Amino acid sequence: GESVGLHLPTLSVQEGDNSIINCAYSNSASDYFIWYKQESGKGPQFIIDIRSNMDKRQGQRVTVLLNKTVKHLSLQIAATQPGDSAVYFCAEKRGTDKLIFGTGTRLQVFP
Amino acid sequence: NAGVMQNPRHLVRRRGQEARLRCSPMKGHSHVYWYRQLPEEGLKFMVYLQKENIIDESGMPKERFSAEFPKEGPSILRIQQVVRGDSAAYFCASSPAGQVNFEKLFFGSGTQLSVL
Repeated sequence: GESVGLHLPTLSVQEGDNSIINCAYSNSASDYFIWYKQESGKGPQFIIDIRSNMDKRQGQRVTVLLNKTVKHLSLQIAATQPGDSAVYFCAEKRGTDKLIFGTGTRLQVFP
Repeated sequence: NAGVMQNPRHLVRRRGQEARLRCSPMKGHSHVYWYRQLPEEGLKFMVYLQKENIIDESGMPKERFSAEFPKEGPSILRIQQVVRGDSAAYFCASSPAGQVNFEKLFFGSGTQLSVL
C-alpha cells in the first residue's frame, strides 16, 4: 500500500556538523509534506513544510528539499546542536484532513 | 494560552477494562484529531472531529473504539474491552476552525496506555 518511509532509523552526528535526514514517499499525487520533531515524552512539533510546487524551502537552520522525480524529501539541519536530538518524522497530507507519518529517524548529537 | 492538554499521561488497564482518554484542545480551536503511535513507529491517524461531529473516522478500528467531541468539555477517545495490542501512545492534536491548516496543528503530550 501507499506509505511514507525513511531510509535511516538512527543518525549520529557531532555537535556543529550538518545533519541530513531522508524520507521516501510512494504517492506521486501528494502535494504537501511536513517535517516534525518529537522529543522523548512529547508530541510531534512542526518544523517546516513544503508544497509540491516547490523543491526547496528554508527556515531557521533547517532546509527541506523535495525531489518529485524520485519521490524523496530531506531535512537538513545546519550546525546541529544537542537540543536537536529527537526523532524526526516526515508526514504527507492525504486527502484534506489527515497526515500519513513515516517511521521516523532518531537523531543523536554527541559532543 | 495553554497548549493541547491530554490526560491522563499514563493509563494502566487490565484486559477487558475500558480506557477513556481525554483531550482539551487549545483555546479557540474547534478541530480535534486523534493519532496512535506504537513504539519506534510513526503516528497513525485515527479520527478527525469537530464540535459534535465526526468528520473522518477512517482510521478507527471498527469495534471497541469510539470518539466524541461534545459541545462542552474535552474530546474523549474511548476503548472498550481493551486488549494488549491497544497498548500505545495516543496523541491528540487541535487546530483552529476553518480550512485545515497543518501549520497550525498542535499536538498534546499524549496518553501512554498500557494494557496488562
